[in-house]
Amino acid sequence: GDSVTQMEGPVTLSEEAFLTINCTYTATGYPSLFWYVQYPGEGLQLLLKATKADDKGSNKGFEATYRKETTSFHLEKGSVQVSDSAVYFCALKSGGSNYKLTFGKGTLLTVNP
Amino acid sequence: GAGVSQSPRYKVAKRGQDVALRCDPISGHVSLFWYQQALGQGPEFLTYFQNEAQLDKSGLPSDRFFAERPEGSVSTLKIQRTQQEDSAVYLCASSLWGSPQETQYFGPGTRLLVL
Repeated sequence: GDSVTQMEGPVTLSEEAFLTINCTYTATGYPSLFWYVQYPGEGLQLLLKATKADDKGSNKGFEATYRKETTSFHLEKGSVQVSDSAVYFCALKSGGSNYKLTFGKGTLLTVNP
Repeated sequence: GAGVSQSPRYKVAKRGQDVALRCDPISGHVSLFWYQQALGQGPEFLTYFQNEAQLDKSGLPSDRFFAERPEGSVSTLKIQRTQQEDSAVYLCASSLWGSPQETQYFGPGTRLLVL
C-alpha cells in the first residue's frame, strides 16, 4: 500500500540556518505530493504541492521538488525564521485511491533566535 | 464560512459513552474526509464522502465508528461505547471535487479524551 517516510525529528536550528526535511514515498501509479504544516495550536495548512514529476512546489520561501527517480519530495528552506517553528507533514495522494491523503509521521521543527 | 469548522473543539468522555463530532465543510465542496490523528503521529484516513454518498469507509477502526452526511453538506462522526484507545484528534477536511491534484482544506479538529 501507499506509505510516506519522513525524517525523524525533532529538528532544532538557529535562525537563518538552512533547512532540509527528507521525505520518501511508496505509491501506486503517479501520486500528487504535498507538504502540510501545523503551527502550535492551529490546524493543518497546506504549505506546497506538486502534481507531476520534476514539478517544484514553493511557498513562503519553502521549496520541494517531485523526484520520481528517487521517489522523494524533500522540503528545503534557505533561511529559517523563529516563526517557522511547527510540525511539518509530508503526504501523498496516489492514482490508486486518488481521494485520500496518506501522511508521514511529521517532523517537529524548532527555530531558536 | 470561510473555512472548515468543527465542533466541539474538545470533548471529554467516560469510557462507554457515545460521542458525536460535527464537521461543517467549505460551502460548495463536494468531497469530505475524516481523519484520526493520534498523539505524535500523522493523520490517518477514516472515511470519505462525495456529496451524501459514503464512498470509502475502509479506515474506520471498528463498527463502533459511524459517519454520515445526509444532505451532502454537514457531516457527523459518531463513536459508540468509546474506549480509551479512541482518544485522538479527529480532523475533517473538504475539497471541491476530490481529484488527485486538489488541495484538501482541514478544520481545526476535535480533541477527544476518553477517561
